[in-house]
Amino acid sequence: DGGITQSPKYLFRKEGQNVTLSCEQNLNHDAMYWYRQDPGQGLRLIYYSQIVNDFQKGDIAEGYSVSREKKESFPLTVTSAQKNPTAFYLCASSLDGNMNTEAFFGQGTRLTVV
Amino acid sequence: AQSVTQLDSQVPVFEEAPVELRCNYSSSVSVYLFWYVQYPNQGLQLLLKYLSGSTLVKGINGFEAEFNKSQTSFHLRKPSVHISDTAEYFCAVSEMLPNQFYFGTGTSLTVIP
Repeated sequence: DGGITQSPKYLFRKEGQNVTLSCEQNLNHDAMYWYRQDPGQGLRLIYYSQIVNDFQKGDIAEGYSVSREKKESFPLTVTSAQKNPTAFYLCASSLDGNMNTEAFFGQGTRLTVV
Repeated sequence: AQSVTQLDSQVPVFEEAPVELRCNYSSSVSVYLFWYVQYPNQGLQLLLKYLSGSTLVKGINGFEAEFNKSQTSFHLRKPSVHISDTAEYFCAVSEMLPNQFYFGTGTSLTVIP
């Protein structure tokens, strides 16, 4: 089945450590996105990528980094510079960054800083 | 940039009653509109979308929504809710270019037996 796979589902990190969240899609989509979800705040865009080897900052990129070396993969690194990283992280993809189709979502990764 | 407003953060409704979840967006330029549903600790699932054509859009699980350009609204409705409809609902808007999605803060629908 085609879809988006996020791993791990739950992740615990000690303060001061970097951690990388995985996102893989087999939908052959060009565009990929990372969102952060906090209670009562909806989804906020961290980074997005319209095409391989290119990505742009979203509204809350500080403390995060991404790469897009392959079409199917868009990993997100939460660095120690992110002051409040505990949240639910959602990866999404859409067919083409310039064609308005819906976004497809993974099942999310819940990151907790301990 | 777009802003999306979901006025009701929580909506309790009795089983088999009708429900309307409200969504307003800020810009009247060409937009594309979506409703998503999220169950606890899961990703978002598309309920329905408006890209063009008829302003009344039907989706999965008996939901429908009406696009109103003059009022910049895209309210979600269901004539008779079930317990299984208890979930978080998000309205989303995307503009022509680039294909970014802007989300509301969500409405928590609770169906009461």
